[in-house]
Amino acid sequence: AQSVTQLGSHVSVSEGALVLLRCNYSSSVPPYLFWYVQYPNQGLQLLLKYTSAATLVKGINGFEAEFKKSETSFHLTKPSAHMSDAAEYFCAVLNSGGYQKVTFGTGTKLQVIP
Amino acid sequence: DTEVTQTPKHLVMGMTNKKSLKCEQHMGHRAMYWYKQKAKKPPELMFVYSYEKLSINESVPSRFSPECPNSSLLNLHLHALQPEDSALYLCASRTGTANTGELFFGEGSRLTVL
Repeated sequence: AQSVTQLGSHVSVSEGALVLLRCNYSSSVPPYLFWYVQYPNQGLQLLLKYTSAATLVKGINGFEAEFKKSETSFHLTKPSAHMSDAAEYFCAVLNSGGYQKVTFGTGTKLQVIP
Repeated sequence: DTEVTQTPKHLVMGMTNKKSLKCEQHMGHRAMYWYKQKAKKPPELMFVYSYEKLSINESVPSRFSPECPNSSLLNLHLHALQPEDSALYLCASRTGTANTGELFFGEGSRLTVL
């Protein structure tokens, strides 16, 4: 089964600094990948998704991610962090075998320091 | 309408009680999911319904009983739960017809088992 690994359970950045959250996937075939955000006591909201149409994917709230097959990575970035970006971020993969199964990484908690 | 609605938002029950969690979507999605999320952990897949039929059961204990009465509704019946079942239960839906479809999540039902 395909899986994703998120490096860093906690990331702290200063307000206005670059945000970089890391996600690596394990798959021998092109995967379908997603980034979700979860604010406290809420459900998950889709930030962006990779579906092989383009390697650089732009999402909501100024986030984007680049699919790099050579590095098996799909890192999430934002040029300038806002206080409102503080949340938990999950990378997820849609398993191509049983195509309905969506599996999540362990998550990265983003702290934004004023 | 891009909402997935879950009720109740909070539920406290004893180990001998019988209760149900409900989920509703009107996006025409044909795949519906139950996830369980413990504090500071990623969502863990429990069940998937596709076209109102149970297609994935991730070896969930029988004290959790899912039901999909129609394409818009998904229930999770709870009976004889244990304190360790306390968690946030998330419902999600996706198109079910396209491999690239993302999950749409509800806000979750926070369950406490005493």
